Amino acid sequence: RKEVEQDPGPFNVPEGATVAFNCTYSNSASQSFFWYRQDCRKEPKLLMSVYSSGNEDGRFTAQLNRASQYISLLIRDSKLSDSATYLCVPHGGPPGDKLIFGTGTRLQVFP
Amino acid sequence: EAEVAQSPRYKITEKSQAVAFWCDPISGHATLYWYRQILGQGPELLVQFQDESVVDDSQLPKDRFSAERLKGVDSTLKIQPAELGDSAMYLCASSLAVAVPLNEQFFGPGTRLTVL
Repeated sequence: RKEVEQDPGPFNVPEGATVAFNCTYSNSASQSFFWYRQDCRKEPKLLMSVYSSGNEDGRFTAQLNRASQYISLLIRDSKLSDSATYLCVPHGGPPGDKLIFGTGTRLQVFP
Repeated sequence: EAEVAQSPRYKITEKSQAVAFWCDPISGHATLYWYRQILGQGPELLVQFQDESVVDDSQLPKDRFSAERLKGVDSTLKIQPAELGDSAMYLCASSLAVAVPLNEQFFGPGTRLTVL
């Protein structure tokens, strides 16, 4: 089983739609989780951190289910500017505590 | 707003040549990371520094790659000799610490390497 699994997409949605991405992770020792957004040929940028059961920031909501080792990202009222790749990133835990990046889910919002 | 600086932004080289990339993390960030990202994949950690010490270099191809962070601030990643398969984006990131919740990583703009 891969350490992080994401549906690569692409998800093509109209403006205003609600879209959800799922991510499963294999390391039960992961304590913190991140969603990064990456525009084409640019660096990843931190979108949201999740340390407990979830987090909400405006139109973005992350939900964590530790028992199922599953994390999701919900985007409401999609904007054209939300078009990007969304990377699910669990914290790897000891010893090096490195982040483990998924391959990302690509979102394309159309007018 | 503080940012991670990287140079050069783009590098084209021929195979068997040597290349070097530079990174200056956000001031005060003790932890520095070098990642390689191949098109269509997520970033893969090459090496992690805590101050000047290597914490994790298990995925660094040590026969051709080397990394240093001599004074615990900026860092250099070197490839010698470069191979065609090294073509990728090389990303540097930094964080305050490795421990939750201070381990949010901030990325530089990357160096896009093309090996001909």
